[in-house]
Amino acid sequence: SQTIHQWPATLVQPVGSPLSLECTVEGTSNPNLYWYRQAAGRGLQLLFYSVGIGQISSEVPQNLSASRPQDRQFILSSKKLLLSDSGFYLCAWIIPTGSGNTIYFGEGSWLTVV
Amino acid sequence: SQKIEQNSEALNIQEGKTATLTCNYTNYSPAYLQWYRQDPGRGPVFLLLIRENEKEKRKERLKVTFDTTLKQSLFHITASQPADSATYLCALASTGGFKTIFGAGTRLFVKA
Repeated sequence: SQTIHQWPATLVQPVGSPLSLECTVEGTSNPNLYWYRQAAGRGLQLLFYSVGIGQISSEVPQNLSASRPQDRQFILSSKKLLLSDSGFYLCAWIIPTGSGNTIYFGEGSWLTVV
Repeated sequence: SQKIEQNSEALNIQEGKTATLTCNYTNYSPAYLQWYRQDPGRGPVFLLLIRENEKEKRKERLKVTFDTTLKQSLFHITASQPADSATYLCALASTGGFKTIFGAGTRLFVKA
C-alpha cells in the first residue's frame, strides 16, 4: 500500500533562519507531488506541485522554494524565514487518472517562526 | 479569480440529527468536486468524490449533491455521531486534476 512520510512534525525557527521540510512517498511511482500550507482558520493554499523529477510549478510568489531530486521525494525550503511563513505544511500526492484524483495527505508539519 | 466558499461559522447539532454543510464556488467549472475530513492537527482525509455529470453520491451515512447550475454542493451526514465532529473541506479540480483548490472548511460539532 501507498504511504506518505513527512518530517519534521513540529519545528520552531527564528526569523531569518533556513527551512527544510521533507516528504517521501512509498508504494507508488510517478506521483504528482504537492506542498500545501494551512494558516490558522484558513483553507489549504497550494504552494508548489510537481509532475516529475526536477519539474516544479510555483503557485504563490514567496520566499519558499521546492525541489524534487527523486521520483518520490519532495522538499520544501527557505533560505530566510519570515514570521508570515508560520503555519501547517502538508505534503500530498496523487496518481492522475483524469477521471477524479483523490489527494493523499501526509500528517503535516507545524512551523512556528519566532 | 476562482473562489470556494464554505460556512465559516461552526455547525452545532445534536447526535442523531442530519448535518448539512454547504460549498459554493464562483469563476470555476470543475470536472469534479471532493469532500475531505480534517481532524485537529492532522492532514485531510478523502471522503467522497462527485463528478460534474453526477447529481448525487452516497457512501454509508454520507451523501453529496452537486448542482453545477447553482455552483453548489451539499454534504450531508445522517444519524450524526460525536465522532463525526471535525472540519469538513470542499475541494474542486478540473480535468486532469493537477491543481485542486480547497475551501476553508466548516467545523462540525456533534453533541451527545
